[in-house]
Amino acid sequence: SAVISQKPSRDICQRGTSLTIQCQVDSQVTMMFWYRQQPGQSLTLIATANQGSEATYESGFVIDKFPISRPNLTFSTLTVSNMSPEDSSIYLCSVFGRGMNTEAFFGQGTRLTVV
Amino acid sequence: QKEVEQNSGPLSVPEGAIASLNCTYSDRGSQSFFWYRQYSGKSPELIMFIYSNGDKEDGRFTAQLNKASQYVSLLIRDSQPSDSATYLCAVNMEQTGANNLFFGTGTRLTVIP
Repeated sequence: SAVISQKPSRDICQRGTSLTIQCQVDSQVTMMFWYRQQPGQSLTLIATANQGSEATYESGFVIDKFPISRPNLTFSTLTVSNMSPEDSSIYLCSVFGRGMNTEAFFGQGTRLTVV
Repeated sequence: QKEVEQNSGPLSVPEGAIASLNCTYSDRGSQSFFWYRQYSGKSPELIMFIYSNGDKEDGRFTAQLNKASQYVSLLIRDSQPSDSATYLCAVNMEQTGANNLFFGTGTRLTVIP
């Protein structure tokens, strides 16, 4: 299993500002995943954070809006930039267990409200 | 387009009944399938995973997989009020050398005491 610490757990931010979410894993992992869960919706993958290379973004998500850092194999950050109320959501980081076809483990999530 | 589809619900069942949750997926090359439970305001937590065709039982939960029909289901026997949550179907879509988990929209289950 993997233990993931994510912070902040929640925040209320003014529109136009940026928030950086941190994710720390208790073991080294090649890839870390960032998801968004809008109210009443399922999880949507934002990007995959690879150590030592650029993050890979899914359709509809761009680096300028969601820059990601991955300085080492246990840590990643996601920044939500120039926020608008539409960015109000839960943001989750996730890793897979060792090997292929294993379950995903999630951080506690960051509940973001943009006012 | 890679998709995972679930009955959105809400699904209500009386306490003690069987709850049946269904999921279909589009990528025929998918290898592994997961059911997560998510309580309101919490992160998803794994309930079951299944890789092979057929049934897999774990306590009150049974996962069923039919790769030919691209269909996976979750049965909850003797449903309890504590089972009330949103259940997310997740599919590991085939991608060379990488895991890539796609989630359905979730089915909200309410177990009525």
